This record gives sequence, C-alpha cells and structure tokens, in this order.
Amino acid sequence: GQQVMQIPQYQHVQEGEDFTTYCNSSTTLSNIQWYKQRPGGHPVFLIQLVKSGEVKKQKRLTFQFGEAKKNSSLHITATQTTDVGTYFCAGDYGGSQGNLIFGKGTKLSVKP
Amino acid sequence: NAGVTQTPKFRILKIGQSMTLQCTQDMNHNYMYWYRQDPGMGLKLIYYSVGAGITDKGEVPNGYNVSRSTTEDFPLRLELAAPSQTSVYFCASSSGRRGSPLHFGNGTRLTVT
Repeated sequence: GQQVMQIPQYQHVQEGEDFTTYCNSSTTLSNIQWYKQRPGGHPVFLIQLVKSGEVKKQKRLTFQFGEAKKNSSLHITATQTTDVGTYFCAGDYGGSQGNLIFGKGTKLSVKP
Repeated sequence: NAGVTQTPKFRILKIGQSMTLQCTQDMNHNYMYWYRQDPGMGLKLIYYSVGAGITDKGEVPNGYNVSRSTTEDFPLRLELAAPSQTSVYFCASSSGRRGSPLHFGNGTRLTVT
C-alpha cells in the first residue's frame, strides 16, 4: 500500500544548531502537508506543498517538495527550545477522498 | 470558536468493556476523521466520514464503529475493549477541499487493562 517514510525517527540538537527531517514516498504525491505536535499536544497544521520543486518559508522553517513530487523536507535554522516536538509529514495521493498518509514523525529535542 | 472538541480526555477500561469517544466540531466541516496514535508509529486512520450519513473504513477499523448522524458529531465506539486498543485517539475535521488542513481535537488517552 501507499506509505510515507520519514527519517530520522529522533533528533537531538543543541540550541542554535540546524535540524532537517525528510519524507519519501515510492509513488508520486498529489501534495504533502506538514504538522507539528508539541509534547502532550495534538498535531497542528504547518503548511501544504503542491507544486513540483516548491519551496516555502515560515520564519526559520523551510519546506521543500521534490521535483518528482515523491519527497519533501523540513529544515529548521538555528533551533530554539520552542521548536521541541514531533514533526509529521502527511502525503496526499490524490484518491477520491483525499485521505492523508502520515509518516511516523521525527521527534526533535533541543538542549539549551 | 471551539474547533474540534473531544471527550473524555482520559479513560481506563477493563478488557471486554465498551465505550464511546465523543467528537464534535463547530466549523461546519463535511469531513471528519478518527486516528489513533501509538508511540513511534505516527497516526493511523481508523474511520472517516465525508458527510452526515456517510462513513468509511480507514487503515485500522477492526474493533471500532462510527456513526455520523449530524455534520457536527462523529462518535467512535469501542466494543469489547482489548489491550491492543490502548492508544491516544484523535478526532479531526477538514473542509474536504483538496489539500485542506486537518484540524485536530486535543485527543483521548485510553488505557485498556
């Protein structure tokens, strides 16, 4: 079945270091969404990428969608303790109901 | 706006008991979803609904049932609870337009012992 692989599973960084998480699909995606879940909280929508090669920025966060629309990445520049949480990608394969397939997430911890 | 509201926040069940997880949204969203989240396993879709009176199975529907009698409410029923159903359950809603974001509730932490 359709599957979105996300790596790494965990990332520990020193505050101020950069962080990147990657998502890969074996088949082409219609679009991809990114969510952040703070510890003990619920997933919160960050952004959606639709176009091949698309790059979007939100302050220190940079989101990319691959040319083949099979992979995506989230890069955080100069992490802060407020960035702590689990980041999920969710792929939309364009089915009739548009259901998202979530990656397993990357749990980010930031040491002050 | 309350968004998506789930009750209860926590529940402990004994094996074989039944319960209903409640979910209601006030955004007039047509699409509603139930996910379960196990540690390190991401979010797995249990059931979803594209409108009142319409429901369909997701990836992991066994042991669960849903109904959608109104646009606002989407309860999840657990019959004969099993330890494998220990998880955090999230309800979500969306407008249903392609690429529209999911709005999640705060979750229900369920333990079956």
